[in-house]
Amino acid sequence: AQKVTQAQTEISVVEKEDVTLDCVYETRDTTYYLFWYKQPPSGELVFLIRRNSFDEQNEISGRYSWNFQKSTSSFNFTITASQVVDSAVYFCALSSSNSGYALNFGKGTSLLVTP
Amino acid sequence: DGGITQSPKYLFRKEGQNVTLSCEQNLNHDAMYWYRQDPGQGLRLIYYSQIVNDFQKGDIAEGYSVSREKKESFPLTVTSAQKNPTAFYLCASSQGRTETQYFGPGTRLLVL
Repeated sequence: AQKVTQAQTEISVVEKEDVTLDCVYETRDTTYYLFWYKQPPSGELVFLIRRNSFDEQNEISGRYSWNFQKSTSSFNFTITASQVVDSAVYFCALSSSNSGYALNFGKGTSLLVTP
Repeated sequence: DGGITQSPKYLFRKEGQNVTLSCEQNLNHDAMYWYRQDPGQGLRLIYYSQIVNDFQKGDIAEGYSVSREKKESFPLTVTSAQKNPTAFYLCASSQGRTETQYFGPGTRLLVL
């Protein structure tokens, strides 16, 4: 069985603070893919990052960075110097052959950035 | 511009009525997916299709039906058997089954 857990349901920060969104996953597959999506108030899901299970290299892209740790089954996402436009719901997702490569989503973390 | 379109943006269903949600993509993607999102919840898979004329049930397929007659189109019908259809419906597509899925803008279905 596959499962994605986002323990933080809501986070509120003041603009320019750094914020980390946590994601823990469970899968029995040895090859799998992890994703972060952003859902602004408009509702459309916007793809942010993808990581393959065989690629543990962490990355920084502008204000965004990701920390993939297979040993702890975690795939955390950090926003540096948050901005009001970062306010959205963020979803972590997992896909593997076990699910026919359809996405298995966590319940999301609602991030509110206030001025 | 390449992308995924969903229509209508809002849809109202009367008791006992079947309604069809449209999903079209011009990305030349092979795989297409339908997800349902309830308030405060993540997305759950309804149906997916890896190639034309083939589709598979997801976790919550009961009360829904799909067709995949053309590569670019994957309509979802919400039948009267779906007793709680009020939700936000999102369509996605990907180049192949292991590739990144990209989403359309969604359709909000409400029951009158």
